[in-house]
Amino acid sequence: DAGVIQSPRHEVTEMGQEVTLRCKPISGHNSLFWYRQTMMRGLELLIYFNNNVPIDDSGMPEDRFSAKMPNASFSTLKIQPSEPRDSAVYFCASSGDRASGEKLFFGSGTQLSVL
Amino acid sequence: AQKVTQAQTEISVVEKEDVTLDCVYETRDTTYYLFWYKQPPSGELVFLIRRNSFDEQNEISGRYSWNFQKSTSSFNFTITASQVVDSAVYFCALSGYNKLIFGAGTRLAVHP
Repeated sequence: DAGVIQSPRHEVTEMGQEVTLRCKPISGHNSLFWYRQTMMRGLELLIYFNNNVPIDDSGMPEDRFSAKMPNASFSTLKIQPSEPRDSAVYFCASSGDRASGEKLFFGSGTQLSVL
Repeated sequence: AQKVTQAQTEISVVEKEDVTLDCVYETRDTTYYLFWYKQPPSGELVFLIRRNSFDEQNEISGRYSWNFQKSTSSFNFTITASQVVDSAVYFCALSGYNKLIFGAGTRLAVHP
């Protein structure tokens, strides 16, 4: 089975540009999570979806960040406009049932560099 | 509020030494799950173990073992006879009724 697939693996962009990160969860999983990893703040949960519905977006840093899940097999995380402090590794993860008890399967991450 | 504390930022050992990574958690949930994940230098996050709050049995998997003590809110991870391939960042995580919260991680360096 294919795992969680994220694209692109690396993204380099200039400040002010729009960035879109993509995620395909494991087929059949109904919970999807976006995490951000930085040296200073570690792994932070940005938002999670259950059955394509955003459940908790309290971790989204500010209005420049938005996430969508139009169907069970695709999610995007958009940053507009991007800033250098958004540079981080962004992970997408999915789980098979209720978020709490199920282990998360992580994608390989997107390394974002905003210059 | 939920919180996971991994007090050890970095640990350095020589191969074949045993090493224990500490994890202390806080939660008001009566039902919760605890996890350990490994992040090798390649960057991916690899699931190691899940434990629910009602199961305090210790678990052993090869050179890895986990000690869950509800009385002290701890879920420690021991690697026996460490190997260079164990070098990684190890994260402890806690999940209640909704989301998974990670600790800051412990960077383990195993030297030959």
